[in-house]
Amino acid sequence: EADIYQTPRYLVIGTGKKITLECSQTMGHDKMYWYQQDPGMELHLIHYSYGVNSTEKGDLSSESTVSRIRTEHFPLTLESARPSHTSQYLCASSESQSREPQHFGDGTRLSIL
Amino acid sequence: AQTVTQSQPEMSVQEAETVTLSCTYDTSESDYYLFWYKQPPSRQMILVIRQEAYKQQNATENRFSVNFQKAAKSFSLKISDSQLGDAAMYFCAYKNNAGNMLTFGGGTRLMVKP
Repeated sequence: EADIYQTPRYLVIGTGKKITLECSQTMGHDKMYWYQQDPGMELHLIHYSYGVNSTEKGDLSSESTVSRIRTEHFPLTLESARPSHTSQYLCASSESQSREPQHFGDGTRLSIL
Repeated sequence: AQTVTQSQPEMSVQEAETVTLSCTYDTSESDYYLFWYKQPPSRQMILVIRQEAYKQQNATENRFSVNFQKAAKSFSLKISDSQLGDAAMYFCAYKNNAGNMLTFGGGTRLMVKP
């Protein structure tokens, strides 16, 4: 079982609040990812990182931002949450080689009222 | 850009029976990797099986096996002796040799009937 952790699991919060979703992995993986997934739908990549101080935007445009100050930590921040941000957010990590699969966290289910 | 298509939004299977989930993809690359992931309700997405495109032999993991048809760009998942715990969303995913990102299909919801 993969050692990648996301907190909180569930969050219900009002519009306009600043939110940080936490993601940590203990596997020493260089690569980390954030996906957005609506219930029962496909995953869309919103951010990724190849290592410390490296961050890139994914295929799906997102108003969120990320940082990678430490290898094990890849938090995602929404400065001002809106109802359109309601979704599930999945964090993943992988080793550097392309053949290696991504390991996923449990996800954060976010609801903005 | 690569695309991954899962044409079956939902499938059902009787417990102990066999079911096959379809996946096709579009790519101009010759070297890439394919994965099947399982996502149970409200639980972690986990890797079921993976296939390297350069390998002709189909991957097998216990009750799970794939039928990889490179020329047809097809990558189906066969689940034998289905169990109640197999009920989940199944996602097919593609990654090219140079890239770091997975391209996911739309998913297939598998229901297992007791």
